[in-house]
Amino acid sequence: EIVLTQSPGTLSLSPGERATLSCRASESVPNNYLAWYQQKPGQPPRLLISGVSSRAAGIPDRFSGSGFGTDFTLTISRLEPEDFAVYYCQQYGRAPRTFGQGTKLEIK
Amino acid sequence: QVQLVQSGAEVKKPGASVKVSCKASGYTFSNYDITWVRQATGQGLEWMGWMNPNSGNTGYAPKFRGRVTMTGDASINTAYMELSSLGSDDTAVYYCGRGIRNHLFSDYWGQGALVTVSS
Repeated sequence: EIVLTQSPGTLSLSPGERATLSCRASESVPNNYLAWYQQKPGQPPRLLISGVSSRAAGIPDRFSGSGFGTDFTLTISRLEPEDFAVYYCQQYGRAPRTFGQGTKLEIK
Repeated sequence: QVQLVQSGAEVKKPGASVKVSCKASGYTFSNYDITWVRQATGQGLEWMGWMNPNSGNTGYAPKFRGRVTMTGDASINTAYMELSSLGSDDTAVYYCGRGIRNHLFSDYWGQGALVTVSS
């Protein structure tokens, strides 16, 4: 199965700053089928991005995704207070679908 | 609006089985798959598998094969996930999601169902 490794484990930033989250795959993700989710405590995941860079409905344009092959990035251009949460990447190019272990974005 | 409403919390003894339901509304149930993911307390998301309500086809993560069964009843727009031979490490919140067919990322999620395995 494709193993996804996210880094850093925890990212401490202030509102207004730029956040860069990484997701590295153990092998090339077929068709670059990679999604990003946001999860807040006590809530289900929320889809942010699919297909590396396509924002889901209602997702602000400060969220952007990029990458290719084995290296993918989620960028939040200017952090808002509501953006502090845990972020997961998921590959859906090959069975079984797998998730990264998550990056916690916390307020500095 | 799209909604997935899951059944309530369960407490089970080791070795027992649990069946979690997921009732969908606000979209055509047969046009999307249902995915299942779980999350132990303080841990990350773990993919379990998917079910196609139209065909009944399923796909399970290797870790759960032989122990999980995913089914659906299209007449009531409800999907089910049954996990057997429960152990303490199955204690987790179980989420269903609306899966984009042939891709299986999920754009809507249920609220989660806590399953606690304890003697």
